[in-house]
Amino acid sequence: NAGVTQTPKFQVLKTGQSMTLQCAQDMNHEYMSWYRQDPGMGLRLIHYSVGAGITDQGEVPNGYNVSRSTTEDFPLRLLSAAPSQTSVYFCASRGFGETQYFGPGTRLLVL
Amino acid sequence: KNQVEQSPQSLIILEGKNCTLQCNYTVSPFSNLRWYKQDTGRGPVSLTIMTFSENTKSNGRYTATLDADTKQSSLHITASQLSDSASYICVVSGSNTNAGKSTFGDGTTLTVKP
Repeated sequence: NAGVTQTPKFQVLKTGQSMTLQCAQDMNHEYMSWYRQDPGMGLRLIHYSVGAGITDQGEVPNGYNVSRSTTEDFPLRLLSAAPSQTSVYFCASRGFGETQYFGPGTRLLVL
Repeated sequence: KNQVEQSPQSLIILEGKNCTLQCNYTVSPFSNLRWYKQDTGRGPVSLTIMTFSENTKSNGRYTATLDADTKQSSLHITASQLSDSASYICVVSGSNTNAGKSTFGDGTTLTVKP
């Protein structure tokens, strides 16, 4: 199993640009989540999904969209990047009642 | 509002010493509590996961305890090593309608010095 994979590893954007952060898992997990982690801070939940076709907002959803068309993939879209979205983004997945597996993260810098 | 509070915020210990990290939560209804280790620049890695009926769970030198009545958990690290330097995060998941969400603590940053 590759586990949870994220692409890209690094990205630099200009204010106003849009982009999609990719996340995929090969463990057939129902639950997938996106978090952001600002320097020296804890993880904050952006959006999550409890299964294909089902998504919901977390703590900090503004400026981000998600979709879950398949069990494996859970992309995160930045609609119009802002400097406040500079952060490290982690995708995670888990089965029901199981531990959560995190991807390696995507480091995003918005200029 | 569901909350997870961890203490201390940071901790410095000498190599070979033991330490205990604390986690208090208000998540309800409760499903499970997990401890993660996050090395600098990496994603969190699971150490332990405990459900309502479990009081203690060990993973090598890491031992987690759970008191579901008082909604408290601790992570005890025995005979610390330099590689234990990391952030330790307590995560609590709710059950049923809350199943997809997990509430994260802000973490305890542990530094182990030689």
